[in-house]
Formats: sequence, C-alpha cells, structure tokens
Amino acid sequence: DTAVSQTPKYLVTQMGNDKSIKCEQNLGHDTMYWYKQDSKKFLKIMFSYNNKELIINETVPNRFSPKSPDKAHLNLHINSLELGDSAVYFCASSPIQAAGGYTFGSGTRLTVV
Amino acid sequence: GQQVMQIPQYQHVQEGEDFTTYCNSSTTLSNIQWYKQRPGGHPVFLIQLVKSGEVKKQKRLTFQFGEAKKNSSLHITATQTTDVGTYFCAGRQETSGSRLTFGEGTQLTVNP
Repeated sequence: DTAVSQTPKYLVTQMGNDKSIKCEQNLGHDTMYWYKQDSKKFLKIMFSYNNKELIINETVPNRFSPKSPDKAHLNLHINSLELGDSAVYFCASSPIQAAGGYTFGSGTRLTVV
Repeated sequence: GQQVMQIPQYQHVQEGEDFTTYCNSSTTLSNIQWYKQRPGGHPVFLIQLVKSGEVKKQKRLTFQFGEAKKNSSLHITATQTTDVGTYFCAGRQETSGSRLTFGEGTQLTVNP
C-alpha cells in the first residue's frame, strides 16, 4: 500500500506546454503539501492545503495552480512551462497542521526542454 | 522570515568514520525534525525533537536539540555505506503554527 502516491514519476515536456501532477494519500492526513527540489537538493515549500483549504501559498508564479478536490488529493497544474521549472516536485502529507512528521511521495522529475 | 541553516553542505567520509551535521535557526523553534533522502529517493522522516536539550538515539544515530531550541545536530557513529544520502533538518517556528522550514541539507557520501 503506497501511503502518498504521485503520478507521473517522470515528465518530459516542451516549453510553453501545460502539465499536471497528481497526488493522493491514503493515510487519512488533513494537511498536504507541494515542495520543489532543485538540483542542489534544496526543498522549497510551494503550497499547503489543510482539509481542502489553502493555508500556505509561497511566492510561486501564478502559472502554478494547486487543486484539492478532497482532503486525500492535491494536484498541481502548471501552465506555460519554462526551462526553470525543471526540478523534482514532491507531494507530502502530515497528520495535523502543527505536529508529526511529513510523509513524502516518491517525487515527479519534471524536465522542460 | 524564519531561516534554517545547515552545515556542512557536503561531507565525504571513509566507512567507519563518524559524521555530524548541524542545524541553526534564526528563531526559537517549537520542534525540529530530521529527514533522510537516499540518492534518487524521497525524504523520509527520521525523528522529531520537542524539548529543550532533548537527546534521542536510533541505533548509530544521535539527535540533539539545543537548550535554547534554536539549534540541533545529527551525529552518526561509525558510518556505513547505507548511510549515504542527504540529511535534512526541518524546524517549526513557535509562532508560525504549521510552517515547517527545511534546512539546505547535508549530502553525505561514504567511501567503502
């Protein structure tokens, strides 16, 4: 049983395209996150949702739009992809906002060419 | 805003040597967590420290939380090749509720 699952695992696309990454967790967690990890391994928070409600929205271009249809799902849609968007994107979840470790998905390696 | 700094950025050791990574926050933390990310993998939660001066051990790993709750360390005794990966600390600021800020990570390589 995969706790936090992301699809696709790899995504190669051309500049200007629109793409989506899906994330689902079966842990019953209330809070879900999207992180971007660059080539230097730095993990940067992008968004956080608590029970379908957006609670953290870092300085991310508005080409990135998260959507949470229910508390078990948090998808990420990216419009007009740019070369600089190439990175590994991790979805994660945690039990409640202020406690517990995060469970990360296996990541989506996005390459924009 | 809150900053969490981690050093060193890279560490190369011979198998059997000890390893330590240090984490410092610009603000007081309510708790600090540590994660390990194997090459090509995803971060995996290791432990959470909550109390001032707390020390926890997991086999060869020793985690400490500073008295002022602004710094932490992870020490690995007698490293093995299975310890290879990037170790992240992540802190929650006392006044920020849920926000978890990750350090830049320490990439550990172990030469057999």
